[in-house]
Amino acid sequence: DIQMTQSPSSVSASVGDRVTITCRASQGINSWLTWYQQKPGKAPKLLIYAASSLQSGVPSRFSGSGSGTDFTLTISSLQPEDFATYYCQQANSFPPTFGQGTKVEIK
Amino acid sequence: QVQLQESGPGLVKPSQTLSLTCTVSGGSISSGSYYWSWIRQPAGKGLEWLGRIYTSGSTNYNPSLKSRVTMSVDTSKNQFSLKLNSVTAADTAVYYCARAADITPDYWGQGTLVTVSS
Repeated sequence: DIQMTQSPSSVSASVGDRVTITCRASQGINSWLTWYQQKPGKAPKLLIYAASSLQSGVPSRFSGSGSGTDFTLTISSLQPEDFATYYCQQANSFPPTFGQGTKVEIK
Repeated sequence: QVQLQESGPGLVKPSQTLSLTCTVSGGSISSGSYYWSWIRQPAGKGLEWLGRIYTSGSTNYNPSLKSRVTMSVDTSKNQFSLKLNSVTAADTAVYYCARAADITPDYWGQGTLVTVSS
């Protein structure tokens, strides 16, 4: 299985901050990388697919980049509703695997 | 807009079979080229993809579950199902059903907690 490693595991930030989360795959996955946002007690919400394509309805302050093994999710200006846990997922090969998550907390 | 809802027992005894159903509303499970997936999440932990089924009945399972998992679809009821046998405490988790155009789930159910305990 392809291992997905996220960093950091948690980040403390303030409203208005720029936040960057990194995801690294144990082998190349082209651009088959998805980002999800999950709030406590809720299902994950799809933010970005194919590394950089914004899902319909997702605010443009979210962006994704990368290809191969290294990817980033950037929140350009953190909003109160963005405090959550973020997961990356590789969609290159079976079984799809997820990173361990990055919790974005209020500073 | 498509909606998914999981249902099934919240408590299963060790060694028995976990059975869940996902009901799809807001559209036919047979329309479009979608796969219907199951993902689980132990409390406080990350996400694990369990498998997917197409409306033709074609399936892909996570090898980590070996031969314990079976998925099925009932297009007449707009439902698909998960069976996981020989469960242990390690199978305790919130189970999600989801729709996926390929591998990436886009619409998810709200999730249902299944506890394995005697």
